[in-house]
Amino acid sequence: SQQGEEDPQALSIQEGENATMNCSYKTSINNLQWYRQNSGRGLVHLILIRSNEREKHSGRLRVTLDTSKKSSSLLITASRAADTASYFCATDGLAGGTSYGKLTFGQGTILTVHP
Amino acid sequence: EAGVAQSPRYKIIEKRQSVAFWCNPISGHATLYWYQQILGQGPKLLIQFQNNGVVDDSQLPKDRFSAERLKGVDSTLKIQPAKLEDSAVYLCASGTNRGKREKLFFGSGTQLSVL
Repeated sequence: SQQGEEDPQALSIQEGENATMNCSYKTSINNLQWYRQNSGRGLVHLILIRSNEREKHSGRLRVTLDTSKKSSSLLITASRAADTASYFCATDGLAGGTSYGKLTFGQGTILTVHP
Repeated sequence: EAGVAQSPRYKIIEKRQSVAFWCNPISGHATLYWYQQILGQGPKLLIQFQNNGVVDDSQLPKDRFSAERLKGVDSTLKIQPAKLEDSAVYLCASGTNRGKREKLFFGSGTQLSVL
């Protein structure tokens, strides 16, 4: 079953604008990861945030994690046409839980950046 | 470093036929995963290997799906017999160490169409 739920399902913006995608999950986690998938390709890891972290940056990416609300957000600043892709959050469960040691993906957000 | 290799890239079969997919993970990666991604959805874990042992196959439809990882390196996923609802992209991923909770590296996938 899907653990994460992304919002919105689709996002269309102009180049240069910021894009924000949200992810909610149900059970306690060890870490949360964001992946990107270009059409017809495999997934590429973007960033990992651990359960004891609140914010993380990588280049134009900013990820936040609120474990009390069981939610995360991915912000892409100054978007480019090349950022057009599907973005997925994935959760890694706590030791002792049924989702321990395996990534469970959400449904994804389709981002379209217009030149 | 070389990425995760998968073949074939595309496969079209008729229902009730058999099909096999092959995956060669990144050299030295202990963990290997097979995910099924239906169009418009996030990847769903089918089976997880640690070296050549199965860690989790709880979501693998064992009446028709089987997978093996020979000598802890390459892996094959087989479907016999295929059903229409098996049409999906089958993604293979590998990771360095289950205990470290690191990111996964994905192959480009095999797109299966069952007619």
